Amino acid sequence: NAGVMQNPRHLVRRRGQEARLRCSPMKGHSHVYWYRQLPEEGLKFMVYLQKENIIDESGMPKERFSAEFPKEGPSILRIQQVVRGDSAAYFCASSPGESGIYEQYFGPGTRLTVT
Amino acid sequence: AQSVTQPDIHITVSEGASLELRCNYSYGATPYLFWYVQSPGQGLQLLLKYFSGDTLVQGIKGFEAEFKRSQSSFNLRKPSVHWSDAAEYFCAVVPSGGYQKVTFGTGTKLQVIP
Repeated sequence: NAGVMQNPRHLVRRRGQEARLRCSPMKGHSHVYWYRQLPEEGLKFMVYLQKENIIDESGMPKERFSAEFPKEGPSILRIQQVVRGDSAAYFCASSPGESGIYEQYFGPGTRLTVT
Repeated sequence: AQSVTQPDIHITVSEGASLELRCNYSYGATPYLFWYVQSPGQGLQLLLKYFSGDTLVQGIKGFEAEFKRSQSSFNLRKPSVHWSDAAEYFCAVVPSGGYQKVTFGTGTKLQVIP
């Protein structure tokens, strides 16, 4: 049973470009979470999605960031017009049910570098 | 405000020595509690979790944690550290009851010296 997959593992973008980060949850998991980790900091919650629904986006910046989890295919975190401050590691996690009762399983992360 | 505190940013221990990593939380009711480990360049792996019941929880890789309600703490322990335990450790908390997002502490980096 494959774990949570994220790609790419490393992504370099110039300022102003778009970044697309993909996450395939574990088989049987329909709940996906995105986190951002800045150097020397813990993980900060960004968004929680179920298939075709955004459940909680309270951690998402208001502009330039969006996320989706379509009926088919991976979850996508999209960052438009990237800036240097977007450089971070972005982690996806999945669970079979709501977080709390069900622990989250993490992917290896995508390390975004904005030059 | 709800918060999770890991007061130690870096800890260095000798191989074979015992280890205790501290985690304190500030929530109204007893939350669900987790410890994760992150090796360099990797994602997070769950070490153990506490939902209810026995306050001493056993996890993987020889780790255990004890929930102390009176101290609002959930400290992680290991009797004898191995060099492969060098990593960053994160305490995480979720308020109990329905969906709530996970709040992570800022992490403790563990260095193991021979």
